[in-house]
Amino acid sequence: GQSLEQPSEVTAVEGAIVQINCTYQTSGFYGLSWYQQHDGGAPTFLSYNGLDGLEETGRFSSFLSRSDSYGYLLLQELQMKDSASYFCAVLDNYGQNFVFGPGTRLSVLP
Amino acid sequence: GAGVSQSPSNKVTEKGKDVELRCDPISGHTALYWYRQSLGQGLEFLIYFQGNSAPDKSGLPSDRFSAERTGGSVSTLTIQRTQQEDSAVYLCASSFLTGAGYGYTFGSGTRLTVV
Repeated sequence: GQSLEQPSEVTAVEGAIVQINCTYQTSGFYGLSWYQQHDGGAPTFLSYNGLDGLEETGRFSSFLSRSDSYGYLLLQELQMKDSASYFCAVLDNYGQNFVFGPGTRLSVLP
Repeated sequence: GAGVSQSPSNKVTEKGKDVELRCDPISGHTALYWYRQSLGQGLEFLIYFQGNSAPDKSGLPSDRFSAERTGGSVSTLTIQRTQQEDSAVYLCASSFLTGAGYGYTFGSGTRLTVV
């Protein structure tokens, strides 16, 4: 089976940097993704890490360490519009389907 | 279409009634997924379709839930004899290929309320 853990809430101020961690326990592992979801909206794909290391996309970066079963999403130069829930998701051992974590609610304060 | 389309956007039904939720994926996307999200919770996997292969139904919570995908395109999720615990947002997603860097594109969901 699969289980993922994330902090339930994170608060930061505009312009700051925040890191959202994700740890997972899986019977198999292909990769880790991150999704953003604004209140009332659909989840949107942010990133995918299949190999160890850091992937950077603009203000967002995602990191994976397979040996530690750990990853994080790093958000830089925070903006108010970044206030949302962020979900990590593990691609299951058949490489077919993502299992989602419980989500981290990020609040960006002025 | 340009995105994943779900209908209805909202559905209120009485306990014990059957409901059908529709998903129209992005044209050309071979994989289609149904997830359920309760208020303030994460996404719970329900079922997955890939091309003409048999669907992965491992996430369906009970035999009251079923889904089909006709012609490799539109999918319908049916919940029979609805219960109050079925109240949630039902999200459909599609992807071009499974796995790897091919992220899912989600629809806006159907908010189901069972009264």
